[in-house]
Amino acid sequence: GQNIDQPTEMTATEGAIVQINCTYQTSGFNGLFWYQQHAGEAPTFLSYNVLDGLEEKGRFSSFLSRSKGYSYLLLKELQMKDSASYLCAVRSTDSWGKLQFGAGTQVVVTP
Amino acid sequence: GAVVSQHPSWVICKSGTSVKIECRSLDFQATTMFWYRQFPKQSLMLMATSNEGSKATYEQGVEKDKFLINHASLTLSTLTVTSAHPEDSSFYICSARELGRPDYSNQPQHFGDGTRLSIL
Repeated sequence: GQNIDQPTEMTATEGAIVQINCTYQTSGFNGLFWYQQHAGEAPTFLSYNVLDGLEEKGRFSSFLSRSKGYSYLLLKELQMKDSASYLCAVRSTDSWGKLQFGAGTQVVVTP
Repeated sequence: GAVVSQHPSWVICKSGTSVKIECRSLDFQATTMFWYRQFPKQSLMLMATSNEGSKATYEQGVEKDKFLINHASLTLSTLTVTSAHPEDSSFYICSARELGRPDYSNQPQHFGDGTRLSIL
């Protein structure tokens, strides 16, 4: 079956580092995306991995291991504005590039 | 660049009303757009894939006669919730991928701001 798992909630203090894990079991794989979503707003794109390894983009990094069906998003130097839901999404191999989303991880940054 | 506009942002209406939601790609062309529904504290669930000039493809369990999708041009897709009932109250979000770029395969879906639908 199709399954994308990520923790429901994580709490960290301002300035700290948080790692959000995502495991997936999907019938096809054509890349993994991470999105940030603030309450009541649309998701915004953070990162994309299709090959194994680490992609770094400023304070955010994302890692992928295709053999393990595993990815993580690393948020460094946490800021209060980083409090949001972080969604892991796997793109299928169909011609439209459909995305299947995990349930999201709510990150709460405390002072 | 890659802006997707969704309108309206908020709708409150009586049960039995039909509601139309528009999704426009403002500065790029999108032959394919996606419609999602999101209930509180849940993930985005794909409802249908909207294809310009052809019929939409619906996900399993989504009633195509209930959720009418029209993709009349390369920049506009509409979702009509027909005879809406309180259980249809949700956050509806559209997205599109930008075509014609050399790195198309890496391009993420760009999301509209969403429409919060409340049926009384």
